[in-house]
Amino acid sequence: GQSLEQPSEVTAVEGAIVQMNCTYQTSGFYGLSWYQQHDGGAPTFLSYNALDGLEETGRFSSFLSRSDSYGYLLLQELQMKDSASYFCAVNTGGFKTIFGAGTRLFVKA
Amino acid sequence: DSGVTQTPKHLITATGQRVTLRCSPRSGDLSVYWYQQSLDQGLQFLIQYYNGEERAKGNILERFSAQQFPDLHSELNLSSLELGDSALYFCASSSLRGRDTEAFFGQGTRLTVV
Repeated sequence: GQSLEQPSEVTAVEGAIVQMNCTYQTSGFYGLSWYQQHDGGAPTFLSYNALDGLEETGRFSSFLSRSDSYGYLLLQELQMKDSASYFCAVNTGGFKTIFGAGTRLFVKA
Repeated sequence: DSGVTQTPKHLITATGQRVTLRCSPRSGDLSVYWYQQSLDQGLQFLIQYYNGEERAKGNILERFSAQQFPDLHSELNLSSLELGDSALYFCASSSLRGRDTEAFFGQGTRLTVV
């Protein structure tokens, strides 16, 4: 079957750096995306990796290793507003995108 | 504002009933996805349409169906509703040009089955 594994929750301190991992097992792979979702809100797109390596967008960075079927999202200079759920998603081709169950990030003062 | 519009925002209905959820994608987006999110759960892919045609199917129950109309809006029909169908239903759209995993989500319809 196809699956994406993410830790269920992570807690970090304001100003710190946090890494959220995603491992995947899918029949096809076109790219790995990350989405942020605040409670009661809609998921919003953060980043996309199609090739191995690190992509940086401001305080957010996303990494992909296709040989390891692994990626992570790195958040720097954590702020209280970063408390949310973070989902990784794999585009498996055939117009189908599969989401992980998400990691709930708690940022403490 | 993502540009994706979903109606209604909230829906309360009884078991056994049928409801229709509506989605208008971003202007110019040909692809529409439907997802279900139960309480404290991840996003479960239901179905995807591209320019009016069904392109991918996920874990969608036989009691559920969807379609995309010529004006590209989409409807998700849920019938013979059960208590377990209570969830947030999201619609997303993308252009499927270039970075096709960048999907834009609507605010969702919260369905409560009582």
